Amino acid sequence: EAQVTQNPRYLITVTGKKLTVTCSQNMNHEYMSWYRQDPGLGLRQIYYSMNVEVTDKGDVPEGYKVSRKEKRNFPLILESPSPNQTSLYFCASSGSSAEAFFGQGTRLTVV
Amino acid sequence: SQQGEEDPQALSIQEGENATMNCSYKTSINNLQWYRQNSGRGLVHLILIRSNEREKHSGRLRVTLDTSKKSSSLLITASRAADTASYFCAALYSTLTFGKGTMLLVSP
Repeated sequence: EAQVTQNPRYLITVTGKKLTVTCSQNMNHEYMSWYRQDPGLGLRQIYYSMNVEVTDKGDVPEGYKVSRKEKRNFPLILESPSPNQTSLYFCASSGSSAEAFFGQGTRLTVV
Repeated sequence: SQQGEEDPQALSIQEGENATMNCSYKTSINNLQWYRQNSGRGLVHLILIRSNEREKHSGRLRVTLDTSKKSSSLLITASRAADTASYFCAALYSTLTFGKGTMLLVSP
């Protein structure tokens, strides 16, 4: 089954404690991206990747890092999380059809 | 900066009625897509319309695109309670950028 898998689905952490949200897709898609969703703000893009070892900043990249060492994986790293990074995060991938497939989301709370 | 902006922010209708949502974007695009999201879950792709197309249908969905006005509309005909969700347009240029969405409530 074609899917994008994010882990964890829920995470509560403390300010400053490094965390990684994993994202994996099984569709051999070249394009992957991360979004955060906040009430009233819609989905805002954090980072995206056109292919392996190619990443670029989206609209709200501050406080986040990504890496794309393999085609299927695109982890999101928060080196020093802060409460303003409390949000619902989505990973997405797309191929030549341009249709984006989304993971189920990661609800992050930073206290 | 967000490419797509939906209007209205919220829409409440009765089952059987049609629902129309509009989207405006800022720059030239390759295509425009519409997605649906059920309460806090992942987005699901509904339909894609390319920049050289003016109208597209898929089941009860009808999408139009006016590149001169940089706008698109999504029409859901004969709505059902199960259509209750948030709907987002997304404009593709170099990357896919989403608007803030329209919350649709369809009452039985």
